[in-house]
Amino acid sequence: NAGVMQNPRHLVRRRGQEARLRCSPMKGHSHVYWYRQLPEEGLKFMVYLQKENIIDESGMPKERFSAEFPKEGPSILRIQQVVRGDSAAYFCASSPPGPRVDEQFFGPGTRLTVL
Amino acid sequence: LAKTTQPISMDSYEGQEVNITCSHNNIATNDYITWYQQFPSQGPRFIIQGYKTKVTNEVASLFIPADRKSSTLSLPRVSLSDTAVYYCLVGGFYNQGGKLIFGQGTELSVKP
Repeated sequence: NAGVMQNPRHLVRRRGQEARLRCSPMKGHSHVYWYRQLPEEGLKFMVYLQKENIIDESGMPKERFSAEFPKEGPSILRIQQVVRGDSAAYFCASSPPGPRVDEQFFGPGTRLTVL
Repeated sequence: LAKTTQPISMDSYEGQEVNITCSHNNIATNDYITWYQQFPSQGPRFIIQGYKTKVTNEVASLFIPADRKSSTLSLPRVSLSDTAVYYCLVGGFYNQGGKLIFGQGTELSVKP
């Protein structure tokens, strides 16, 4: 059973471009979470999705950031018009259906660098 | 939400036992205590979870006193490969709606 997969692993963008980060959850997992880790900081929750639904986006910046988890295909975190402050590691995690979600399985992350 | 406090860093030597204590004075009745490990340039990895008393698995032990206001992660006979950041988390689905709240973590450095 493959783990959580994220691609690309490294992404370089210039200011003003768009960044698209992809996450394929573990087989059988229907819950997806995105976290951001700025240099020398801990992980911060961004958004929690289930298939075709955004459950909690309280950690998402109000502008330029969006996330989706379509019925088919990976979850996408999209950052429009990137700025240097968006440079960070973005981690996706997944968990199986059920009431307890303390155990989340993390992917290797996408390291975004904005020039 | 229960706030956690843990040491920013710890040093140890190979073969020693390492104990990392986390304070969570405002823990709620239905909160669980969970520890994650993060190696450089990798995503966090679940280590252990408990509610009270002691939990042990193949990686670590978790000690939780009766008042549950603190917990101690115990790593037996650490090796260089245990050098990582260790996060203590408190909560559960019903409190936090699925999201994990990470604190600053404890950076453990194991020396030869």
